[in-house]
Amino acid sequence: DVKVTQSSRYLVKRTGEKVFLECVQDMDHENMFWYRQDPGLGLRLIYFSYDVKMKEKGDIPEGYSVSREKKERFSLILESASTNQTSMYLCASSLRYRGRYNEQFFGPGTRLTVL
Amino acid sequence: KNEVEQSPQNLTAQEGEFITINCSYSVGISALHWLQQHPGGGIVSLFMLSSGKKKHGRLIATINIQEKHSSLHITASHPRDSAVYICAVKFGNEKLTFGTGTRLTIIP
Repeated sequence: DVKVTQSSRYLVKRTGEKVFLECVQDMDHENMFWYRQDPGLGLRLIYFSYDVKMKEKGDIPEGYSVSREKKERFSLILESASTNQTSMYLCASSLRYRGRYNEQFFGPGTRLTVL
Repeated sequence: KNEVEQSPQNLTAQEGEFITINCSYSVGISALHWLQQHPGGGIVSLFMLSSGKKKHGRLIATINIQEKHSSLHITASHPRDSAVYICAVKFGNEKLTFGTGTRLTIIP
């Protein structure tokens, strides 16, 4: 079974703090994704990585950065957390497209509260 | 703009009822996911399909490419089916665009 794990289920931080959210997958997937999920808005893509050290902005990258130094690990960084970044953060991974589309596998999510 | 719409937003039904959740999208797609999210939990992929119909246990997913529409059906619904069901589509690349979800509650 594919396993995608996230470093924390719940996190409380203060405004201005630097926040790291980590995601690890164990199935050698090339693609990794960070989403945030807010009521009424659904999941929105923050950043996407298709290989080590490669990244692509999603729909809402402002206020976030990412790091992918190893294939299995994809980190989301909030350089200076703000209250409007309070949300559920979900990581996902998938194989790269090779003639067929591959489903994404999701982690359990991190509920981040910024006070 | 590539859009995904789900209906209904909320659905409450009695145990045993046949459930249908709908998903419509604006332009041609390469694949469509149906996902399930339990309260406080992560997201599980139920189906990925690009044509026709798929069945897994009491769950059935259909897609009509010409009408740009997909449905998720649950037969003999059970309280453990209570969850948020999310439709997500690929508009030709690696990324997914998500609907806002349908919250299903099955009453015993």
